[in-house]
Amino acid sequence: EAQVTQNPRYLITVTGKKLTVTCSQNMNHEYMSWYRQDPGLGLRQIYYSMNVEVTDKGDVPEGYKVSRKEKRNFPLILESPSPNQTSLYFCASSLSRISRGRGVQETQYFGPGTRLLVL
Amino acid sequence: DQQVKQNSPSLSVQEGRISILNCDYTNSMFDYFLWYKKYPAEGPTFLISISSIKDKNEDGRFTVFLNKSAKHLSLHIVPSQPGDSAVYFCAAGGGADGLTFGKGTHLIIQP
Repeated sequence: EAQVTQNPRYLITVTGKKLTVTCSQNMNHEYMSWYRQDPGLGLRQIYYSMNVEVTDKGDVPEGYKVSRKEKRNFPLILESPSPNQTSLYFCASSLSRISRGRGVQETQYFGPGTRLLVL
Repeated sequence: DQQVKQNSPSLSVQEGRISILNCDYTNSMFDYFLWYKKYPAEGPTFLISISSIKDKNEDGRFTVFLNKSAKHLSLHIVPSQPGDSAVYFCAAGGGADGLTFGKGTHLIIQP
């Protein structure tokens, strides 16, 4: 079954304690990204990766790191979490980066979400 | 600056009637648009899309209309069913950075 998995699904932590949220996809997708969803703000992109060892900042990258050592995995790292990073996080993947003029209606496949509370 | 706007945070529609969700965008570089549906405790799932070369795309009960001159698109669901109650995100692609999402509209289908 084609899917994007995230772990953990729920996490409560304290300020400053490093944490990693894992993301894995089994569709051999090149493009992966992380979003956070906050009330009234919708989905905002944190980081994205166009392929192995290629990552770039999205709209709200501050306080986050990512790595892409393997095609299937794209972990999100919070080196020193703060309360303003309390949010619902989604990992997503697609076959390739959605870029202008390709005329390809590619969709992103989303993971089930990770709800993070930073105290 | 919000490039994709969904100005209605919520919408309540009676079962069996038509639901119309609206989305406006500002970036003329966007050349295709998608709607995602999200249930609580689940990730968004793809619903329907439309390329800028079309003005309408239909899939069963779901139809998306695109008005390029007005930079406006809408999702029509007819007839609305209880299982359609969810948050709907409009997204646009073709700009510099992948997909840009709106804030979402919470659709509530009333019996």
